[in-house]
Amino acid sequence: EVQLLESGGGLVQPGGSLRLSCAASGFTFKNYAMSWVRQAPGKGLEWVSVISASGGSTYYADSVKGRFTISRDNSKNTLYLQMNSLRAEDTAVYYCAKDPLYSDYVYAFDIWGQGTLVTVSS
Amino acid sequence: QSALTQPASVSGSPGQSITISCTGTTSDVGGYNYVSWYQQHPGKAPKLMIYEVSNRPSGVPDRFSGSKSGNTASLTISGLHTEDEADYYCSSYASSSTLFGGGTKLTVL
Repeated sequence: EVQLLESGGGLVQPGGSLRLSCAASGFTFKNYAMSWVRQAPGKGLEWVSVISASGGSTYYADSVKGRFTISRDNSKNTLYLQMNSLRAEDTAVYYCAKDPLYSDYVYAFDIWGQGTLVTVSS
Repeated sequence: QSALTQPASVSGSPGQSITISCTGTTSDVGGYNYVSWYQQHPGKAPKLMIYEVSNRPSGVPDRFSGSKSGNTASLTISGLHTEDEADYYCSSYASSSTLFGGGTKLTVL
């Protein structure tokens, strides 16, 4: 079964850091681009970042650029999101997701994890 | 990076058809055939319903269809079922970025 499992969420103070992980199984992880998408409580979906299959290309939403870093370890089938200088507006459920076809970018999100909640509050 | 525009809500009765629009610009919806649609039930992760404007993933009923004209993409659900009641989001590639619509709440009366 194709599966993504996020972990690492929790409560963090403003200005703090957190690293999210996304463990993949059931597919050849190294062949697909991966992405992070978040959803603030009661709000819509917001794209956060994407990384190519090789890890050589990364892109970020303007709202997180310079604060968040996406990375992957293809030997461990794991995607990461390092989040620094966290703000209250970063509070959200963070989902990892994969593209159904492509290795260079996630053009559509066909498999989603269950999400991990990040709460930024003092 | 402005969000794509969707109606906040639509409604229909079982068996009817509804269409949800998703309006962008020539820099996103109108410029690429990478429009996708997602269904999200409360407390659940989104589910891919349509990708590349009109392609259905395996397992998605053929009652769901997608199209695009200019800068506006559309999701049509034919023969509404009560279980179709959910939030629906469109998404588009936008040159090294991805945009989502604000979401549309579908109520099946």
